[in-house]
Amino acid sequence: EAQVTQNPRYLITVTGKKLTVTCSQNMNHEYMSWYRQDPGLGLRQIYYSMNVEVTDKGDVPEGYKVSRKEKRNFPLILESPSPNQTSLYFCASSLGPGVNTEAFFGQGTRLTVV
Amino acid sequence: AQSVTQLGSHVSVSEGALVLLRCNYSSSVPPYLFWYVQYPNQGLQLLLKYTSAATLVKGINGFEAEFKKSETSFHLTKPSAHMSDAAEYFCAVNTGTASKLTFGTGTRLQVTL
Repeated sequence: EAQVTQNPRYLITVTGKKLTVTCSQNMNHEYMSWYRQDPGLGLRQIYYSMNVEVTDKGDVPEGYKVSRKEKRNFPLILESPSPNQTSLYFCASSLGPGVNTEAFFGQGTRLTVV
Repeated sequence: AQSVTQLGSHVSVSEGALVLLRCNYSSSVPPYLFWYVQYPNQGLQLLLKYTSAATLVKGINGFEAEFKKSETSFHLTKPSAHMSDAAEYFCAVNTGTASKLTFGTGTRLQVTL
């Protein structure tokens, strides 16, 4: 089954404690992205990757890091989480750069930073 | 910059009634528009997409949307609401940069008996 898998689904952590949210896709997609969803703001792109070792900032990259060492994986790293990073996070992948290409989303990771 | 605006953060309809969720876009180039649905505790699922092939686009679960360039709109409709349609709906535009989607703020649809 074609899917994007995120782990964990729920995470509560303390301020400053480094964490990683994993994302893996089994569709051999080139493009992967991370979004955060906040009430009243919709989804905003954090980082994206066009292929292995190629990443770039989205609209809200501050406080986040990513890496793309393998085509299927695109982990999101919070080196020093803060309460304003409490949010619902989604990983997405798509086949290529085409403007009409469908994005496939993971189930989401609900992060709470206390 | 391209953007979308969704009018109404909450919409409530009776079961069997018409569903109309509004989306207006702003774009300097021909837009590629999408509607996604998010059921509780789930990720986003594509409902339909506009890619300039046809102005009336049919999607899954009986939903459709019509692209109206003169009104810069891409409203989502369904003739008869079902309880299972209760979810949050997002309109999005592809900006052309690395398949980046710019989302609206979402509309939560409530369906009542």
